[in-house]
Amino acid sequence: EDKVVQSPLSLVVHEGDTVTLNCSYEVTNFRSLLWYKQEKKAPTFLFMLTSSGIEKKSGRLSSILDKKELSSILNITATQTGDSAIYLCAVGGSGTYKYIFGTGTRLKVLA
Amino acid sequence: GAVVSQHPSRVICKSGTSVKIECRSLDFQATTMFWYRQFPKQSLMLMATSNEGSKATYEQGVEKDKFLINHASLTLSTLTVTSAHPEDSSFYICSASPGASSYEQYFGPGTRLTVT
Repeated sequence: EDKVVQSPLSLVVHEGDTVTLNCSYEVTNFRSLLWYKQEKKAPTFLFMLTSSGIEKKSGRLSSILDKKELSSILNITATQTGDSAIYLCAVGGSGTYKYIFGTGTRLKVLA
Repeated sequence: GAVVSQHPSRVICKSGTSVKIECRSLDFQATTMFWYRQFPKQSLMLMATSNEGSKATYEQGVEKDKFLINHASLTLSTLTVTSAHPEDSSFYICSASPGASSYEQYFGPGTRLTVT
């Protein structure tokens, strides 16, 4: 059965800290991995990863995929209170546009 | 670009009634749309995949007669919760994929359904 596991489930840090969120997966014929940030409403798209070892970067956020380890990490540097959210990882297999979502990591950044 | 809208954002209905939720891709054509359900402090649970011009594909455990999905055009999919019960109260979110060679998926703002 395909599954996506995120860790940690929750995390509390102080402003300025750097955090690393993990996503591990078991998916038949992996195609792509998506990262989302969810605040009060629906998730907003952060990154799509398809190739191993290529870092995607957007401001203080970056992400990389390791197909050998069947995992991805999302890094946030110099965290701010506005980074407080649930970060979701989703993985899709070939032959479908469907994605399986992990349980999410709830990040809280304290001022 | 890649904006998905949902309507209504909130709805309260009485037990036994039906509620329709619309999902629209505003600036792209979506060959495939997805409907998710999210309970408080939980992740997204995929309910069904909606393909334009064909029947929706439902996930295991999701009643197709209760959650009717219609994907009538490349920019609109609707989810109708029929004969709603309090346990159907939840946050329903749709997403849309441009399809073809793009596997990115964009979410609508969600609909909070409360059944009294």
